Amino acid sequence: QVQLVQSGAEVKKPGASVKVSCKASGYTFTSHTLHWVRQAPGQSLEWMGWINGGDGDTKYSQKFQGRVTITRDTSARSAYLELSSLRSEDTAVYYCARGGGTMVDWGQGTLVTVSS
Amino acid sequence: DIQMTQSPSSLSASVGDRVTITCQASQDIRKYLSWYQQKPGKAPKLLIYDASNLATGVPTRFTGSGSGTDFTFTISSLQPEDIATYYCQQYHNLRTFGQGTKVEIK
Repeated sequence: QVQLVQSGAEVKKPGASVKVSCKASGYTFTSHTLHWVRQAPGQSLEWMGWINGGDGDTKYSQKFQGRVTITRDTSARSAYLELSSLRSEDTAVYYCARGGGTMVDWGQGTLVTVSS
Repeated sequence: DIQMTQSPSSLSASVGDRVTITCQASQDIRKYLSWYQQKPGKAPKLLIYDASNLATGVPTRFTGSGSGTDFTFTISSLQPEDIATYYCQQYHNLRTFGQGTKVEIK
């Protein structure tokens, strides 16, 4: 079965960067898109961007353009989300999700806390 | 950017009640809409895709309808395990989620 396993919780200071990983199994990694979605405490879901598992093509939400980088390592069957210039408002649970249009399978989430 | 307006933001209903949630897109998204269920502390779970198609393993009491800009999600007979927050999401252009509807038992 499809599994997306994310890295553990992070605590970062304002201005720092964070890199979250998402390791995939149970499907052909290069045949599917992986999305990154975040959820601040008590808030809705917010799409950040995607990466094509095959050619590595990326697309980002305009809100995060310039601060977010999504990469993948096909040999490791993993995708990565890097968010820079962190501020308190970036405190959230970050999810990876597999899917083209809709998001069929989700990781367990990674809590990133930004605090001085 | 496409905006998704979901209503109501919360509702309270009795077990066995019919529950309806609406989602309106700021522009025509054809049929490219999904519905997700999220329970506290858990990742979202896909329920409906392409506006009306039930995802694998999802109970048939969940249905979706609509196209263009107006969409509806219905639970035909609310069960205790349906207590959750429900989100719509468009995928016509990039991705956008609605604000969510918290469903509680009366």
